[in-house]
Amino acid sequence: GNSVTQMEGPVTLSEEAFLTINCTYTATGYPSLFWYVQYPGEGLQLLLKATKADDKGSNKGFEATYRKETTSFHLEKGSVQVSDSAVYFCALREDSNYQLIWGAGTKLIIKP
Amino acid sequence: GAGVSQTPSNKVTEKGKYVELRCDPISGHTALYWYRQSLGQGPEFLIYFQGTGAADDSGLPNDRFFAVRPEGSVSTLKIQRTERGDSAVYLCASSLSVPVRNTEAFFGQGTRLTVV
Repeated sequence: GNSVTQMEGPVTLSEEAFLTINCTYTATGYPSLFWYVQYPGEGLQLLLKATKADDKGSNKGFEATYRKETTSFHLEKGSVQVSDSAVYFCALREDSNYQLIWGAGTKLIIKP
Repeated sequence: GAGVSQTPSNKVTEKGKYVELRCDPISGHTALYWYRQSLGQGPEFLIYFQGTGAADDSGLPNDRFFAVRPEGSVSTLKIQRTERGDSAVYLCASSLSVPVRNTEAFFGQGTRLTVV
């Protein structure tokens, strides 16, 4: 079945460091891929998405590229800020389905 | 309202009691979803409504769980005879229509249910 695997957290970085959060997936078809973010005390928000291979999603300085050959959708940011501290979820959705399949989430802690 | 609204934000109940969790989706959104998120895990799908009907309830864990959406807007998730294992954050999301590649689901802040 479909699944999403994320790197375990927490990930702790200093401000202005480079961020990578790994995400790999298994799917039977050609899913859309998503990164959601959950800031403390808030609901899940869509951060970025990509709907086909080689697409790059980007938002708020974050980027992720849909890599079909490695079944990956790693999240990157060149210079993180304290305000980026949150839990990040990778998710997929098959074309023929409406369910989002989620990774376990990665907690990111940015220290000043 | 501007976003998906869930009430209550927190609910503590005793084992064996009945609870109702409410979701008010974004106005005009025909698709509504319930997910459950246990501590340290990603959300798990429970049920999906298209309009008033439950198009897919395959994620409901057992017959103690039931959800309705009688007028195609507000939805209520009902849990009978609650158990400690039901403790989780219950998330509601809505989207404009049946999801296609560019459809975004918007999430509420969730209801944290604690069964003691």
